[in-house]
Amino acid sequence: QVQLQEAGPGLMKPSETLSLTCNVSGGSISNYYWSWIRQPPGKGLEWIGYIYYSGSTHYNPSLKSRVTISVDPSKNQFSLNLTSVTAADTAVYYCARIIWQQLVIAFDIWGLGTMVTVSS
Amino acid sequence: DIQMTQSPSSLSASVGDRVTITCRASQNINRYLNWYQQKPGKAPKFLIFAASTLQSGVPSRFSGSGSGTDFTLTISNLQPEDFATYYCQQSYSSPPMYTFGQGTKLEIK
Repeated sequence: QVQLQEAGPGLMKPSETLSLTCNVSGGSISNYYWSWIRQPPGKGLEWIGYIYYSGSTHYNPSLKSRVTISVDPSKNQFSLNLTSVTAADTAVYYCARIIWQQLVIAFDIWGLGTMVTVSS
Repeated sequence: DIQMTQSPSSLSASVGDRVTITCRASQNINRYLNWYQQKPGKAPKFLIFAASTLQSGVPSRFSGSGSGTDFTLTISNLQPEDFATYYCQQSYSSPPMYTFGQGTKLEIK
């Protein structure tokens, strides 16, 4: 079955650029939309953005100026870049697969999540 | 943006109870509403699609209903493994802006 695994730096300093990769195994990245979602400690879920395997993207307007999501079908991976991080970006970052049926969009498969802490 | 408000924020119940969690949208979202279950330290698990369609492998004691602005997640005959935090999520917004409710923590009484 399809599994997702995030990889990232863990600890960062303010103003740095966060780079995370999600490796998709057990299935192809093709023909699906893929997403990043984050969860600050003790808080709820925030959608960051999505990418189609062909490369088209859409981002949360509140993060759009700092976010880039890219895809590498040859590696079955997609990635998140978030620039100029602050302590407010401290969160568990999840990658997820999107299913899209009858105009309803849901996140059906999630990675385990990776904790990113921003601290000086 | 469409705001999603869940109630209650937390809930205590006993094994065998029936509980209902409510999710209200700030505007009509038709049936573009999904539910997730999250246990501590784990990723969310996708439970219900389009307000009422149970995902494969989800026990039948879970059910969802609603349309428009008001939705409910009901769990009958609570089992120990059901104690978790539940989130609703809408996908009606255009352009896309997928928002989650703030979560409802279901605890053992």
